[in-house]
Amino acid sequence: DSGVTQTPKHLITATGQRVTLRCSPRSGDLSVYWYQQSLDQGLQFLIQYYNGEERAKGNILERFSAQQFPDLHSELNLSSLELGDSALYFCASSAPGLAGGETQYFGPGTRLLVL
Amino acid sequence: AQKVTQAQTEISVVEKEDVTLDCVYETRDTTYYLFWYKQPPSGELVFLIRRNSFDEQNEISGRYSWNFQKSTSSFNFTITASQVVDSAVYFCALRLPSGTYKYIFGTGTRLKVLA
Repeated sequence: DSGVTQTPKHLITATGQRVTLRCSPRSGDLSVYWYQQSLDQGLQFLIQYYNGEERAKGNILERFSAQQFPDLHSELNLSSLELGDSALYFCASSAPGLAGGETQYFGPGTRLLVL
Repeated sequence: AQKVTQAQTEISVVEKEDVTLDCVYETRDTTYYLFWYKQPPSGELVFLIRRNSFDEQNEISGRYSWNFQKSTSSFNFTITASQVVDSAVYFCALRLPSGTYKYIFGTGTRLKVLA
């Protein structure tokens, strides 16, 4: 158990809909990262937040957005969903230090299926 | 452009055999981090090792060892005396700490260890 929690574990929705994925980092970790893992695209970094502010952006679509709240939990919002958004979405957290080289602890993931 | 190549899509070995997973990376940055992650059949991602670009020392952790060679831009991972529990998909990743903190993953190598 990494100490990172993600809810929900599974999500089934329809095209065009909007969903919110939630992540609670390990106690004391200030950074939260979001990743998407799909059969087509493999494992992709989406975005990183550090203490409430966006730190880095990867291959995140404009239909997707994220935020980190004062209590450090994070939410990933996916809107106007398409079939291709079906994937496993991971959240990870890390403690401060070693900019770029932090050890990341991953949550169990949220499996999203868009029908 | 930055890139991580894991040319071996799938490897099968018999238990107790040694196996090496290859990772070749491309970047023009002089400062970067390299990572290996394990994704067992249960699906979670597990951090295995981090290496920064200025540290070319090889590392050994139990049955696992890593060979980092900047001259060939490779960061290979060897499992000695493999066990069935090593069966997983292994990802190599490159992290660039400057600028946008890009995080680039390889496509993964699926390792099957047969009893």
